[in-house]
Order: sequence, then structure tokens, then C-alpha cells
Amino acid sequence: GAVVSQHPSRVICKSGTSVKIECRSLDFQATTMFWYRQFPKKSLMLMATSNEGSKATYEQGVEKDKFLINHASLTLSTLTVTSAHPEDSSFYICSARDPRLAGGQETQYFGPGTRLLVL
Amino acid sequence: AQTVTQSQPEMSVQEAETVTLSCTYDTSESDYYLFWYKQPPSRQMILVIRQEAYKQQNATENRFSVNFQKAAKSFSLKISDSQLGDAAMYFCAFAMNRDDKIIFGKGTRLHILP
Repeated sequence: GAVVSQHPSRVICKSGTSVKIECRSLDFQATTMFWYRQFPKKSLMLMATSNEGSKATYEQGVEKDKFLINHASLTLSTLTVTSAHPEDSSFYICSARDPRLAGGQETQYFGPGTRLLVL
Repeated sequence: AQTVTQSQPEMSVQEAETVTLSCTYDTSESDYYLFWYKQPPSRQMILVIRQEAYKQQNATENRFSVNFQKAAKSFSLKISDSQLGDAAMYFCAFAMNRDDKIIFGKGTRLHILP
């Protein structure tokens, strides 16, 4: 089946630096990808919707200048955490929908997630 | 705005027994999608089962089935013959359409007792 990958799987960085997380759809083209954030033992919180060739749509309360999203191709979306701080430490998950799927099949595929730790 | 509520933070069930996880949601729309996702310790989200609101028949996937009560806005998950591998966090989720963002409940952590 379709696979969504994320890179890196985990990253440790110093406070004040920027970190880029990649989300790739491996065998399908995704015009739309979603970025979620998950705190320990908590639910997934949608951060933004990434649209290929256009600006991302951010959820209320998410700083667009802090979390930069770029969906430059149909198979790649990137999330850049700028000037990271310890409170940005979290688990970041992306998802993408295979537009080829007909009704009755899985809607979205999730990446394996990226664990970010800011020291 | 749509909301998803899971009132059971944790549940335990004996291996081979049956367990039901509860979920309620709120929406003013008539057509939408409901999901149950499983998140094992690996943190990989796995779709367990999905229900389209316009379908009256409850979805079933092997040992997993749902009880979808549209009028009551209830969407419970029944796991039959529970196995140790079923231990995970289970999230109930909602989407307006297949292309739309998914809204997750807070999750229910399921423990399987050997």
C-alpha cells in the first residue's frame, strides 16, 4: 500500500536553531498534506494543511512564522521549526491522502513521526 | 466546529474477551466520515476502521466493529477476542470529507491483560 515517510525520525537541536522535517509520499502524488503535533500521552493536534503550489493553511493559534511549511512538489512537504525553543519539543506527524483511492478505502496515510527535542 | 469526545482515558480487558471503546462527536453536518485509529508504542498511526455517515450499516473489519448511532452522534468501537497486540492508544476521529483534515479525540489507552 501507499507509504508516507518522514525524515528525520528524531532530532536533537540547541535552542535558537532551526530544524527542518520532511514528509514524503513514496508512491503517490499528494496535493494535500497535513501536519500534526502530539504532546506526550496526548492527542494529535492539527497544525496546518499543506497545499502543493500554494500557501499553507494554519490552524488557529499556530504561529505561521514559527512553523514554516513548504509544499514545493507533489511528493514533498517540509515543516521548519524556526528559532526552536524547549517548548517546541514534541512529536510531529504528517499525513497525506492518495487521490487515486476510490470510496471505501483508506483516506489518509500517516508518516511514522519525528521526535524533536530542543535543548 | 466539530468536536470528538472520548470519555474513557484508559481501559483494560482480559485477553480473548470483548471490549467496547466509546466515542461521541458533535457536528451540524449530515455527511461526514468517522474513524478509529490505533497508535501502538511505535507511534505509527494505523487506521482500524472507517464509517461513512450516509451508510446505515455498521462497518466491520475482522475482530473490529463499530456501533454507529447517527442520531445520538455516537461511534463506539468493539474489539472481539482481544489480543496482546491490540494494546495501544485508540483515537476516535472525524472528517468532513475524504480530503479534509481529521479531528481527533483525546484517545483511550487500552491495556490487554494476559
